[in-house]
Amino acid sequence: GNSVTQMEGPVTLSEEAFLTINCTYTATGYPSLFWYVQYPGEGLQLLLKATKADDKGSNKGFEATYRKETTSFHLEKGSVQVSDSAVYFCASSLPKGNNRLAFGKGNQVVVIP
Amino acid sequence: GAVVSQHPSRVICKSGTSVKIECRSLDFQATTMFWYRQFPKQSLMLMATSNEGSKATYEQGVEKDKFLINHASLTLSTLTVTSAHPEDSSFYICSARRRVGSGDTQYFGPGTRLTVL
Repeated sequence: GNSVTQMEGPVTLSEEAFLTINCTYTATGYPSLFWYVQYPGEGLQLLLKATKADDKGSNKGFEATYRKETTSFHLEKGSVQVSDSAVYFCASSLPKGNNRLAFGKGNQVVVIP
Repeated sequence: GAVVSQHPSRVICKSGTSVKIECRSLDFQATTMFWYRQFPKQSLMLMATSNEGSKATYEQGVEKDKFLINHASLTLSTLTVTSAHPEDSSFYICSARRRVGSGDTQYFGPGTRLTVL
């Protein structure tokens, strides 16, 4: 079945630094791919998504490109802010539709002033 | 934005008792809701799809008699953990599916921390 793998461990970086969080997937067919963000004390929120190969999702300065050849959907932001501190989850749609999702483990991002 | 609430936010119960967790979509109707389970430092694991007015669809390996799901209205789904045991201790998260135009989005609740003693 579909699965999603995120890079290990939390990410700590300084304000205005470049952020990359790696995400790769295994899938039957061509899933839709998502990044969700969870701020402290809140539920997961959709950050961005891409539904087909070479699509680029973007929102709030974050970007991710659906790369079929490398089965990846890495999240990037050119200049992070303290307010970007959160947990980021990569997700893939599951076969048979109905909006079911498979999630990665998540990455805690801490941005230091 | 769309809001999904869960109640309670945390619950502690004794082994052998049953616990009910509610998931509500506050400002939209959701024919489909989802229940996830999250262990510490692990990903969210989809447990089941809750369908309004019909039986839930469980993922492989999830005991339907252990985790009872009722989606009796368009804004409420409940998950009951029956005869809870310490291994059921976990963070349970629900989401509600909202159709927007030609696409749809899942909106997540803040989660419920269950501790079984």
